[in-house]
Amino acid sequence: KQEVTQIPAALSVPEGENLVLNCSFTDSAIYNLQWFRQDPGKGLTSLLLIQSSQREQTSGRLNASLDKSSGRSTLYIAASQPGDSATYLCAVRRRGNQGGKLIFGQGTELSVKP
Amino acid sequence: ETGVTQSPTHLIKTRGQQVTLRCSSQSGHNTVSWYQQALGQGPQFIFQYYREEENGRGNFPPRFSGLQFPNYSSELNVNALELDDSALYLCASSLIGVYEQYFGPGTRLTVT
Repeated sequence: KQEVTQIPAALSVPEGENLVLNCSFTDSAIYNLQWFRQDPGKGLTSLLLIQSSQREQTSGRLNASLDKSSGRSTLYIAASQPGDSATYLCAVRRRGNQGGKLIFGQGTELSVKP
Repeated sequence: ETGVTQSPTHLIKTRGQQVTLRCSSQSGHNTVSWYQQALGQGPQFIFQYYREEENGRGNFPPRFSGLQFPNYSSELNVNALELDDSALYLCASSLIGVYEQYFGPGTRLTVT
């Protein structure tokens, strides 16, 4: 059974700091991994999607890496801003699973202090 | 391009009642997935619909059921509501075979 874990559960940093969020998964047979942002009480916004054949993806100040063999992904945020404050969720899609079901971690709640 | 929309935004129901939540897919998408997100948790997959049929189901009882319509919009129905059904319900649409899912804003259901 695929399980996804995110550490830490919460993180508080001063504005301008670079930071790394971690995601680990137990079954390396994944189709892809996706990072989302969620503002309080809101839906999910897709940040980055990494296919199983890729090592990393970049969008602006965000960089996500994937090490399938070790079951790990990291989301790097450069020069953090107060507007980055949100919960960040990672989710994996198993290779061959029905219907493209996403399995989520519990999220890391990020607070960036001015 | 129209994004995923959900209605209503908030809903309060009493234990034992039934509820229907609605979702309109992003333009051009032909699959709809539903997720339940309890407070402080990651979303849990309920089921997905493709071509108006269920195309995968998570670990949810039969009182959770759904429909997909020819225009790809969808409904989630929950019968015999329990207190633990209180959660944010998220709908996501995608193109079959592409798998990147786009989420709606969610419906907050409170069961008292």
